[in-house]
Amino acid sequence: QVQLQESGPGLVKPSQTLSLTCTVSGGSISRGGHYWSWIRQRPGKGLEWIGYIYYTGETFYNPSLKSRVIISPDTSKNQFSLNLNSVTAADTALYFCARVEVGHSTPFDYWGQGTLVTVSS
Amino acid sequence: DIQVTQSPSSLSASVGDRVTLSCRTSQAISDFVNWYQQMPGKAPKLVIYAASTLQNGVPSRFSGSGSGTDFTLTINSLQPEDFATYYCQQTYFSPPTFGQGTKVDIK
Repeated sequence: QVQLQESGPGLVKPSQTLSLTCTVSGGSISRGGHYWSWIRQRPGKGLEWIGYIYYTGETFYNPSLKSRVIISPDTSKNQFSLNLNSVTAADTALYFCARVEVGHSTPFDYWGQGTLVTVSS
Repeated sequence: DIQVTQSPSSLSASVGDRVTLSCRTSQAISDFVNWYQQMPGKAPKLVIYAASTLQNGVPSRFSGSGSGTDFTLTINSLQPEDFATYYCQQTYFSPPTFGQGTKVDIK
């Protein structure tokens, strides 16, 4: 059974960099067939796709965040990370990592439980 | 970005009811629609993918249909564990986008 777990600071100061890690078990980020993704949900709002990474290292980002986002792998630990720089209060959200099936309709089939990040001084 | 509009935004129903949730996209997207169920404070759970395919382990009272710009998620004989918010997602165009959700609560 695939499991994902987010970790990282719950509080980040404005203008700083938000850094989160997703640890994957029951699956490998080094094999093809899946993207590994970050999604966020602002308080009381819907879901927003941030981006994903493929096992080749290729990344895909939401254009709305692309200038501030880096998703990177750590294959030795079977983890992938999110870095979002120059954060503001608008980046306060519940952040999820997820596995995405490559193929028709690319469903997000396994999700972490989410981690709340608050941007505040 | 492709706009995904769900309706209604919320509905009240009773255990045993049949409910139909709607999703409309701003451009035709074939059947590249997925549906997710989210309980409060929990991660979304994939329910239906490719518009009509039931995810493994999801009860057969859930069904999906549609193609092009109009899609529906139907829950037959609503159960207590089905009261949640449901999100529609399009993945035909990048970036993938989600609707604002339909909250199903107890009447």
